[in-house]
Amino acid sequence: TQLLEQSPQFLSIQEGENLTVYCNSSSVFSSLQWYRQEPGEGPVLLVTVVTGGEVKKLKRLTFQFGDARKDSSLHITAAQPGDTGLYLCAGATDSWGKLQFGAGTQVVVTP
Amino acid sequence: EPEVTQTPSHQVTQMGQEVILRCVPISNHLYFYWYRQILGQKVEFLVSFYNNEISEKSEIFDDQFSVERPDGSNFTLKIRSTKLEDSAMYFCASQRDAEGYTFGSGTRLTVV
Repeated sequence: TQLLEQSPQFLSIQEGENLTVYCNSSSVFSSLQWYRQEPGEGPVLLVTVVTGGEVKKLKRLTFQFGDARKDSSLHITAAQPGDTGLYLCAGATDSWGKLQFGAGTQVVVTP
Repeated sequence: EPEVTQTPSHQVTQMGQEVILRCVPISNHLYFYWYRQILGQKVEFLVSFYNNEISEKSEIFDDQFSVERPDGSNFTLKIRSTKLEDSAMYFCASQRDAEGYTFGSGTRLTVV
């Protein structure tokens, strides 16, 4: 079983600050996906990264896939209270097939 | 935005009873999945389904579990004899291409 470790587990910041969430593994993944999950809801896909070194931007969110395709990061610039949520990374070893999820990072942004 | 629809949203059942969790995946998607999330724990893979058969299953997916796509639109997960430890959120997901999944909102199963 390939393990994905997310850090930190919990992050509390003030509105306007920046934050970074990390997702690390000793295994190589064909793709890494980032999701956001609200309480009592299913994960919602934010982005998929597939190429080593790839950087994708989604408004104030920047996602990076490590060169060796073993790790990824999510950076939020000028966080807003609406960014509060549980952020999950999930890795796939095939284009089609199961995802291995990390435990998640709970982000709280206070006004 | 197309959605994956799951019913019911919450199911309470007695230990030993059979439950069927229902999902309507996005219509042009090809791969279908069930995951579960025990309260406070990671999302765990249960089973994947492609071309009307199971393509992969986890150790959790033992003989008490089964999946069906009976009519080309619905995708069901049956738990034959529920146990207390089956209490969890169960998520259905479907996938069209390598870009990622669409998850449903989940069914909260409570076994008493």
